[in-house]
Amino acid sequence: AQTVTQSQPEMSVQEAETVTLSCTYDTSESDYYLFWYKQPPSRQMILVIRQEAYKQQNATENRFSVNFQKAAKSFSLKISDSQLGDAAMYFCAYRSPYNDMRFGAGTRLTVKP
Amino acid sequence: EADIYQTPRYLVIGTGKKITLECSQTMGHDKMYWYQQDPGMELHLIHYSYGVNSTEKGDLSSESTVSRIRTEHFPLTLESARPSHTSQYLCASSRSSSYNEQFFGPGTRLTVL
Repeated sequence: AQTVTQSQPEMSVQEAETVTLSCTYDTSESDYYLFWYKQPPSRQMILVIRQEAYKQQNATENRFSVNFQKAAKSFSLKISDSQLGDAAMYFCAYRSPYNDMRFGAGTRLTVKP
Repeated sequence: EADIYQTPRYLVIGTGKKITLECSQTMGHDKMYWYQQDPGMELHLIHYSYGVNSTEKGDLSSESTVSRIRTEHFPLTLESARPSHTSQYLCASSRSSSYNEQFFGPGTRLTVL
């Protein structure tokens, strides 16, 4: 079964600095999609960024970008110019045509003013 | 506006009561899901549905039941609530394609006294 591992239960970053959240996954499939979700305290879970496995180019959404290393099965999220509103739980997720969404255990990000 | 709704948002109830958590989506999504999540912790899939009259149990064993009589509606029922059921329940939906992310509702925070 596909597994998604987030090895950092908690991370902290200074406001305006850059932070990278790690995610690795285990799969034998070649066609799949990876996602990062954000869950702010007591607020709705929302999608931050998505990466298609067949694309070599790393996805970018404003201050959020990913480092997708397919051979290493690694999918890290980089947040640049961190803001107080970035404080949240971040979940990495995997999905394929043959397997529905699998979530990692999450990383709690704290942003210090 | 297309969205996913959950009611109630908060529920405090006594042991032994029957409760139903409502989830509705207006996006025409085939797939719907229920997750259980303790605050700030990982998501546990407890039920999912790939269409009308289709329901399956998820990875985490749950005493709750679900039904899918209409595409847009996926209620979760606890016949006899217990303190161990205290948690947050998140509903999500998605299109069938693996490219598509899951959309999450705001959640129901359940407390059983």
